[in-house]
Amino acid sequence: SAVISQKPSRDICQRGTSLTIQCQVDSQVTMMFWYRQQPGQSLTLIATANQGSEATYESGFVIDKFPISRPNLTFSTLTVSNMSPEDSSIYLCSVTPAHGNQETQYFGPGTRLLVL
Amino acid sequence: AQSVTQLGSHVSVSEGALVLLRCNYSSSVPPYLFWYVQYPNQGLQLLLKYTSAATLVKGINGFEAEFKKSETSFHLTKPSAHMSDAAEYFCAVSDTGRRALTFGSGTRLQVQP
Repeated sequence: SAVISQKPSRDICQRGTSLTIQCQVDSQVTMMFWYRQQPGQSLTLIATANQGSEATYESGFVIDKFPISRPNLTFSTLTVSNMSPEDSSIYLCSVTPAHGNQETQYFGPGTRLLVL
Repeated sequence: AQSVTQLGSHVSVSEGALVLLRCNYSSSVPPYLFWYVQYPNQGLQLLLKYTSAATLVKGINGFEAEFKKSETSFHLTKPSAHMSDAAEYFCAVSDTGRRALTFGSGTRLQVQP
C-alpha cells in the first residue's frame, strides 16, 4: 500500500486565519480525496482532488472555504480559509493506488486542527 | 445515494469474548464494502474489504466479515477479543465508479479485562 504523509500533523490557529495542509504520497495514485472528521464524529468527504483541474466538492463544501490543489500525481494541498472554531477537526487525505488494489482507499495520519 | 448504518455507537466486551460490530448498507449499485479501524490519535487503517469476490472476507488481526446481500449487511466479527482491539471501527461503502467512501457513524469498542 502507499505511504502517505501529511503536514502539519497538528496545529493551533487563530480565527480568521488560513492553514494549508499538505498530502504527499510515495507512489503514483489515481485518486486523492480530502475528508473531515469533526470531534467525536465520523468522516465526511470534502472533495475529490483532480490533477490539473478544479476539485470536485461535496454538498456543503465550497472552493472559497476549502481551496484544493493537485499539481501532480503524488501531491495535494487543502487550505482551510478564514477559520472559525467550527473548523476544529481532523483533516485526512486518502488515495487509491495506481497499481494493485485500485478499489481501496488508504489514509494518511491526519492533521489535527484546533481553532481558537 | 449510498448510506451506512452502524448499530451501537459503543460496544463493550470482555477479553476473550466474541466481538460483533454491526453494519448495514444501502446502495443502488453493487457496492464495495470496507471496515477501517482508528486507534486513538491515529489515522484510519484498513481492516478488510469486500469487492464482489468471496462473501466471507478475512482481514488483519483476526477479524472477518460476511457480506449478506439479502440482509444488506457486512458485520465485523472476531472470535476472541484482545485488549489491543480497543479502538473506533468504521464501516464504509463505495461504488465501483466514483470510489469516494461513505462512512458509518462509527462504533467504539471497549475491551474489559
